[in-house]
Amino acid sequence: AQSVAQPEDQVNVAEGNPLTVKCTYSVSGNPYLFWYVQYPNRGLQFLLKYITGDNLVKGSYGFEAEFNKSQTSFHLKKPSALVSDSALYFCAVRGNQAGTALIFGKGTTLSVSS
Amino acid sequence: DGGITQSPKYLFRKEGQNVTLSCEQNLNHDAMYWYRQDPGQGLRLIYYSQIVNDFQKGDIAEGYSVSREKKESFPLTVTSAQKNPTAFYLCASSIDRYRSQPQHFGDGTRLSIL
Repeated sequence: AQSVAQPEDQVNVAEGNPLTVKCTYSVSGNPYLFWYVQYPNRGLQFLLKYITGDNLVKGSYGFEAEFNKSQTSFHLKKPSALVSDSALYFCAVRGNQAGTALIFGKGTTLSVSS
Repeated sequence: DGGITQSPKYLFRKEGQNVTLSCEQNLNHDAMYWYRQDPGQGLRLIYYSQIVNDFQKGDIAEGYSVSREKKESFPLTVTSAQKNPTAFYLCASSIDRYRSQPQHFGDGTRLSIL
């Protein structure tokens, strides 16, 4: 069965510090991995994706993610957090069959304090 | 601007009533999706459609129905059989059925029971 796990319900960091939001996955074949961000009462916004190639993927708003095949992880990172980064973050994986929808993790709330 | 429009933003349902949530996209996307979001549970797939006049059940289709008569539109009906309809409903679309493309989301409809 395909699944995504976000082991932390909440991550707290101080502004200016680096942040990491963790994600691990289980999927047959090669995964397509995505990160989304959600602000209150809004839809999800796409941040970045890993399809193939370089294990370090750069995305919107200074975010990046590192794909680690041996650890089946796709952690979201940012070198210097902003208060405006506070939001709900979702990791998602797409399965190996055409036409399948994304499988989402349960989300991690990021809180950046000033 | 291209995007996905969900309406209404807030909706209240009386017991025994069916209600319909609207989702329209002008992105010329083939695939469309409906998700239900509950606190702490991430996104769960209700229905998806890869092409006009075709749709498939997701993980939690019971108590819901959809239609896809036009490429641009994918309305969701929450029927009286859905006993716990209170949730945030998100519509999404993607350019095609393949795994590498991210989904684009509307801003959601929040459904509550009167």
